[in-house]
Amino acid sequence: RKEVEQDPGPFNVPEGATVAFNCTYSNSASQSFFWYRQDCRKEPKLLMSVYSSGNEDGRFTAQLNRASQYISLLIRDSKLSDSATYLCVVMNTGGFKTIFGAGTRLFVKA
Amino acid sequence: EPEVTQTPSHQVTQMGQEVILRCVPISNHLYFYWYRQILGQKVEFLVSFYNNEISEKSEIFDDQFSVERPDGSNFTLKIRSTKLEDSAMYFCASTSTGGYSTDTQYFGPGTRLTVL
Repeated sequence: RKEVEQDPGPFNVPEGATVAFNCTYSNSASQSFFWYRQDCRKEPKLLMSVYSSGNEDGRFTAQLNRASQYISLLIRDSKLSDSATYLCVVMNTGGFKTIFGAGTRLFVKA
Repeated sequence: EPEVTQTPSHQVTQMGQEVILRCVPISNHLYFYWYRQILGQKVEFLVSFYNNEISEKSEIFDDQFSVERPDGSNFTLKIRSTKLEDSAMYFCASTSTGGYSTDTQYFGPGTRLTVL
C-alpha cells in the first residue's frame, strides 16, 4: 500500500462547481496533515493545514478522519484560477519526514 | 514576504560530475528540507536537517548525496557523481518549528538539474 494515496485525476469541472478530493495514508502514527497546490513546473504552496476537527478557509474545507486514515478537500464555487494539482501531504511524528501524494490534477473550465 | 531562494535555477551537468545546489532558507527558520521531483512524478522527500545535523533521510538519499549548512545562511545539497536518473527538479524548504499542524513549509522555486 502506498504511504499516501490520492484520487487519480484529472478532474474536469465547470466554473462554479463543487469538487472533492480524497486521500488515504498508511502510517497511523502520522502527526500532521496538509493540502498543497502545485502549478505547472512551480514549487508546492500550502493551501491549508488539516485539523482533526475539520477546518474551512473561504471556499475550501478540509476534513481528517484518523480512524479511517482519510483526508479530504472540498472546493466550492470553483474558479478558473483553481486549476492546479492538489497534493495531499502527511508528516510523521517529530515533523522530520514529509510524504507527498502523487497529486490530483484539477481543470476548471469556463 | 520572506521567501526561500535557490540557485541556480537550471543546472546542466555531465554524468559523473559533482553538483552543488544552493538554498537560502528564511532567516529565522530552523528546519530545512530537500525534495526532488522527477518530471511528471510526485514530490519525493530526500532529507531533513535540524541543529546542524540530518534528522531523517529517505532511501533515495544514499552516499552520493550530502547536505551542509556552511555559513549559517546557506543550505546546500551536493551530489557527488551524478547519474542520468538524478535529472529532476530539486526543491529546498524551510520551516520555523517542525511538523506541527500550524506550521508551514516554505518552498523555494527549485533548481532544475539536467544530467547528460
